[in-house]
Amino acid sequence: SQQGEEDPQALSIQEGENATMNCSYKTSINNLQWYRQNSGRGLVHLILIRSNEREKHSGRLRVTLDTSKKSSSLLITASRAADTASYFCATDAIAGGTSYGKLTFGQGTILTVHP
Amino acid sequence: GAGVSQSPRYKVAKRGQDVALRCDPISGHVSLFWYQQALGQGPEFLTYFQNEAQLDKSGLPSDRFFAERPEGSVSTLKIQRTQQEDSAVYLCASSEFVDTYSDYGYTFGSGTRLTVV
Repeated sequence: SQQGEEDPQALSIQEGENATMNCSYKTSINNLQWYRQNSGRGLVHLILIRSNEREKHSGRLRVTLDTSKKSSSLLITASRAADTASYFCATDAIAGGTSYGKLTFGQGTILTVHP
Repeated sequence: GAGVSQSPRYKVAKRGQDVALRCDPISGHVSLFWYQQALGQGPEFLTYFQNEAQLDKSGLPSDRFFAERPEGSVSTLKIQRTQQEDSAVYLCASSEFVDTYSDYGYTFGSGTRLTVV
């Protein structure tokens, strides 16, 4: 079963605009990760934020994490047509015993950036 | 190799046929995961290996699914007596770590798209 809900399910914007995707999850986590998937391809890791971090940046990506609300957001600034893809959040939940980094994914946001 | 390699890229199986899906992780990677991704959905965990040990198989949907990694490198996911609901993309991911202390997440293969007809 999926851990999280992603919002919106689909997002369509123009090149140069910012894109914001949200993720909510249910259990306490070690970290939350965002992945990107182009049609018919595997997932590419974008960024990881740990439970004790509130914000993280990588290039045009900005991720926030609010553990009190069990939610995260991914902001892509100055979007490009090449950013068109599906974006997934994934959580590494805290579980009894040793954690080995098993991820639980949301259902994804389909982002379309029009040139 | 430079990345995680999965084969075949596409597989069409007749219902009831057995299939074997292969994953070649990055050399030296300790952790290996299998995920199943249905159309329009996020990946769902199937099983986890740490070297050759299968530490978690809680996500395997039935006893028709079997995975192995006998030498701690290449892994095979086998599905016996395939059914239409097994149609999905099967993704393999690997990591050099046994947890997510790394900031680099996991490296995924391109997946095997299985269609059961």
